[in-house]
Amino acid sequence: QVQLVESGGGVVQPGRSLRLSCRGSGFIFSSYAMDWVRQAPGKGLEWVALISYDGTKEYYADSVKGRFTISRDDSKNTLYLQMNSLRADDTAVYYCARDLVAGPYDYWGQGTLVTVSS
Amino acid sequence: QSVLTQPPSVSAAPGHKVTISCSGSSSNTGNNYGNSFVSWYQQFPGTAPKLLIYDNDKRPSGIPDRFSGSKSGTSATLGITGLQTGDEADYYCGTWDSSLSVVVFGGGTKLTVL
Repeated sequence: QVQLVESGGGVVQPGRSLRLSCRGSGFIFSSYAMDWVRQAPGKGLEWVALISYDGTKEYYADSVKGRFTISRDDSKNTLYLQMNSLRADDTAVYYCARDLVAGPYDYWGQGTLVTVSS
Repeated sequence: QSVLTQPPSVSAAPGHKVTISCSGSSSNTGNNYGNSFVSWYQQFPGTAPKLLIYDNDKRPSGIPDRFSGSKSGTSATLGITGLQTGDEADYYCGTWDSSLSVVVFGGGTKLTVL
């Protein structure tokens, strides 16, 4: 069955960096676009970034553009989110999601919590 | 401020029907081309969202036909019939914005089954 498992979350100081990973299984990872979506505590869903199935196209929310980088390693069935210059308002649960075509997202990971705090 | 507008909350009695609206613009919910079809997600506290509706009105396998989706103009609607207490959750709409080249979500609607 399709599974997405995120890792890499934790507590980090403002201005520092963190890299999230999302390992997929149960499907042909290289055939799908993949996204990161986050949810701040008590808030709604916020789309973060998308990478095309072949890794040639990347899209970012304005709130993270220039600070976050999405990438993929299909040999490892893994999606990444490199997060630099972290701010307090980046605190959220980060979900990876399998993207059918720029959304909809038919499978989601369980989420990993990133807390940016001094 | 979300690009897509949803009511913050709706409520109805068990067994009744409820609708949740999602209003956008010509570049997202009102765009009938490309990838701007509306999806709906259900989220229970502490869990990941679950896809309920995609391509405006299609249900993934395993989603009961009590859930339906429709779209007219720049607005989309999620309908839930035969409400159950287990339907109490947050519901989000989402789509691609062709002008901004980003995915946009509504702010979410909390459903209470009284």
